[in-house]
Amino acid sequence: NAGVTQTPKFRVLKTGQSMTLLCAQDMNHEYMYWYRQDPGMGLRLIHYSVGEGTTAKGEVPDGYNVSRLKKQNFLLGLESAAPSQTSVYFCATKPVESYEQYFGPGTRLTVT
Amino acid sequence: RKEVEQDPGPFNVPEGATVAFNCTYSNSASQSFFWYRQDCRKEPKLLMSVYSSGNEDGRFTAQLNRASQYISLLIRDSKLSDSATYLCVVTDGGGADGLTFGKGTHLIIQP
Repeated sequence: NAGVTQTPKFRVLKTGQSMTLLCAQDMNHEYMYWYRQDPGMGLRLIHYSVGEGTTAKGEVPDGYNVSRLKKQNFLLGLESAAPSQTSVYFCATKPVESYEQYFGPGTRLTVT
Repeated sequence: RKEVEQDPGPFNVPEGATVAFNCTYSNSASQSFFWYRQDCRKEPKLLMSVYSSGNEDGRFTAQLNRASQYISLLIRDSKLSDSATYLCVVTDGGGADGLTFGKGTHLIIQP
């Protein structure tokens, strides 16, 4: 039972490159979230999903796209990375009946 | 933007002491409140939920004051292992909504 996993753990990109971050969960939770955490800013919600095939924008969605083709996976895409997207990205999941969110270990992304 | 404000610290506290943090939230419609703990370079983890009647979990006590829109966390008999960043978190309670995080209070327990 791995809980919430994120791939990759670290990545360095050049400006303009694209990449996809993968979040996978084996807890059968309906809701999934992508946050970013920056020094002095706290965690901010990028996008979220209330179920397979659905996505919605959070507080800071610009420059990111997401997909939830399977219930257990939530992908975060950066089409053209910018230095402002240097951050730590956390995925989280939540069952319908609870407010507690379960976080993955994070992906540290640097855009040069 | 919904705001959750915390004193960033750091709070330097000797082992065995009692320490308290507060946080304030701006959205009077917020319905659920939590304290999360985040260790250095790790993911946040739920420490405890905060109920209107107050709640206690071992050495930790959380209080909610809806009228003044603040939440508190009290740690008694602090341990070295309590060193971490404590995140105040609120949600509107809409079910699917993401959490609104404070920037965190950094606590350092000194031997």
